[in-house]
Amino acid sequence: GQQVMQIPQYQHVQEGEDFTTYCNSSTTLSNIQWYKQRPGGHPVFLIQLVKSGEVKKQKRLTFQFGEAKKNSSLHITATQTTDVGTYFCAGGDRGSTLGRLYFGRGTQLTVWP
Amino acid sequence: DAGITQSPRHKVTETGTPVTLRCHQTENHRYMYWYRQDPGHGLRLIHYSYGVKDTDKGEVSDGYSVSRSKTEDFLLTLESATSSQTSVYFCAISESGRGNQETQYFGPGTRLLVL
Repeated sequence: GQQVMQIPQYQHVQEGEDFTTYCNSSTTLSNIQWYKQRPGGHPVFLIQLVKSGEVKKQKRLTFQFGEAKKNSSLHITATQTTDVGTYFCAGGDRGSTLGRLYFGRGTQLTVWP
Repeated sequence: DAGITQSPRHKVTETGTPVTLRCHQTENHRYMYWYRQDPGHGLRLIHYSYGVKDTDKGEVSDGYSVSRSKTEDFLLTLESATSSQTSVYFCAISESGRGNQETQYFGPGTRLLVL
């Protein structure tokens, strides 16, 4: 069945270092979405990628969708303490019209000053 | 934030007792979802609904049932709670126009402890 794998599970960085999390799907996706969950909070939508090879930026965050629409990455440049949280990717099955997303297990980012 | 509320927000119960969690939305969105979140497992889908009285199982549906009799309410029931169901439960909603390309909006979560 559909699976979305996400690595690493944990990442500890010093403030100012870069951070990257990767997602891989066993099947072709219709789209990939990224969510952020702050400690004690709920997941919040960050961005959606739909097109093959798409790249989007939000300030220090860069999101990429692979050419085959099976993988994606989130890169944060010069991390800040406000970036702390867990980042989830979520993909939609290209072969389905239902509104179900398949979530990766998330990458928990810790930033120390 | 989208208009999603969950109740209760915290609950402690004993093994073997029934528990019902409620998700209420004011957005009139078609899709509603129940996830559980546990350390190391991320968000796992329990059940979801794509309309009133239309539901389907997710990847961890054993021991859970759901009901949706109104667009705005989605209930999750643990018929006989077990300690393995101790978790944080999130409800989410999404519109229907673009299927799985729609954004999901999450509620604040319910922390359930089964003793």
